Amino acid sequence: KQEVTQIPAALSVPEGENLVLNCSFTDSAIYNLQWFRQDPGKGLTSLLLIQSSQREQTSGRLNASLDKSSGRSTLYIAASQPGDSATYLCAVDLWGGADGLTFGKGTHLIIQP
Amino acid sequence: GAVVSQHPSRVICKSGTSVKIECRSLDFQATTMFWYRQFPKQSLMLMATSNEGSKATYEQGVEKDKFLINHASLTLSTLTVTSAHPEDSSFYICSAWTERGNQPQHFGDGTRLSIL
Repeated sequence: KQEVTQIPAALSVPEGENLVLNCSFTDSAIYNLQWFRQDPGKGLTSLLLIQSSQREQTSGRLNASLDKSSGRSTLYIAASQPGDSATYLCAVDLWGGADGLTFGKGTHLIIQP
Repeated sequence: GAVVSQHPSRVICKSGTSVKIECRSLDFQATTMFWYRQFPKQSLMLMATSNEGSKATYEQGVEKDKFLINHASLTLSTLTVTSAHPEDSSFYICSAWTERGNQPQHFGDGTRLSIL
């Protein structure tokens, strides 16, 4: 059974810092991996999706990498801002959308002004 | 981009009430819809998968008679929490997927269910 672990569970840093969130998964036979943002009491916002054949994806200040063989992904946030405060979820997809995603518990991020 | 609408966003009701949550794909036909549940400080857990016109497939530990899922059309799936109790209080979120165009799942905004 696929398990997804996110480290750290919580992180609080001053504004402007670059930071890395980690995600690991036990079964490397994934179709893709997604990073989501979740604000308190809200739904999910998809940030980046990395196909299994890709090594990384970038969107603005966000960069996600994927090392499928070792079962790891990182989300790099550059020049963090208070508006980045949220919970960041990592999820793996085994079957290209035809099956449910397996989520980690998330990293609760606080950016101090 | 693809839009999934989920209603209601918030429900507060008494124990024993049945609650229906709707999930609609607004601009595409969803081959499959998924229902997830999220308890505080926990990850989203898949409850069930539903395909239009067929019975939903439930994950282990999810009571199918408790959580009734109807996927009547390619744009609408409903989750009914029957005779809800306080332990059913949670955040329920749906997603929709189409087999066309190599698309990822698209998520609704979720429903916060509180049973008193």
